[in-house]
Amino acid sequence: EAQVTQNPRYLITVTGKKLTVTCSQNMNHEYMSWYRQDPGLGLRQIYYSMNVEVTDKGDVPEGYKVSRKEKRNFPLILESPSPNQTSLYFCASSPLTGHHTDTQYFGPGTRLTVL
Amino acid sequence: DAKTTQPNSMESNEEEPVHLPCNHSTISGTDYIHWYRQLPSQGPEYVIHGLTSNVNNRMASLAIAEDRKSSTLILHRATLRDAAVYYCILRDYQAGTALIFGKGTTLSVSS
Repeated sequence: EAQVTQNPRYLITVTGKKLTVTCSQNMNHEYMSWYRQDPGLGLRQIYYSMNVEVTDKGDVPEGYKVSRKEKRNFPLILESPSPNQTSLYFCASSPLTGHHTDTQYFGPGTRLTVL
Repeated sequence: DAKTTQPNSMESNEEEPVHLPCNHSTISGTDYIHWYRQLPSQGPEYVIHGLTSNVNNRMASLAIAEDRKSSTLILHRATLRDAAVYYCILRDYQAGTALIFGKGTTLSVSS
């Protein structure tokens, strides 16, 4: 089954304790992206990657890192989490043919709470 | 990307058609109109998209105004499972691949 998976689905942590949220897709998509969703602010893009070893900042990249060492994986790293990073996080992937049919597929979400 | 305007919320009864409007008066000639929806506790999912002509798929229909300044997502027979936030998004594939989500329309469906 074609899908985007995220782990963990729920995480409660404390300020300053490094964490990684994993994202994996099995559709051989070139493009992958991370979003955060907050009440009243909607979905905002954190980072995206057009292919292996190619990453770029989205609208809200501060406090986050990403890497793209393999095509299928795009982990989100919080080196020193803070309470304002408490949010619902979504990973997404898409083909990158440049055609209008390049729709995005989203993972189930990771709810992160930073105390 | 050009801006879209949607009503904050709409209500429907089960088995009835639902018409979700979207205004995009500053749409450019190369913008495609996409609709995604987000069911409760899930990630967004693609619904439908179009450029100029009306489009149909198994989930919905998309009616695009002749001047392309507005569009309507049509759910022909709403079910309880269609209760979700519906996002109307414009995408210019020549400009890049980011999806810019607005606030969307929260659709409630009653039995």
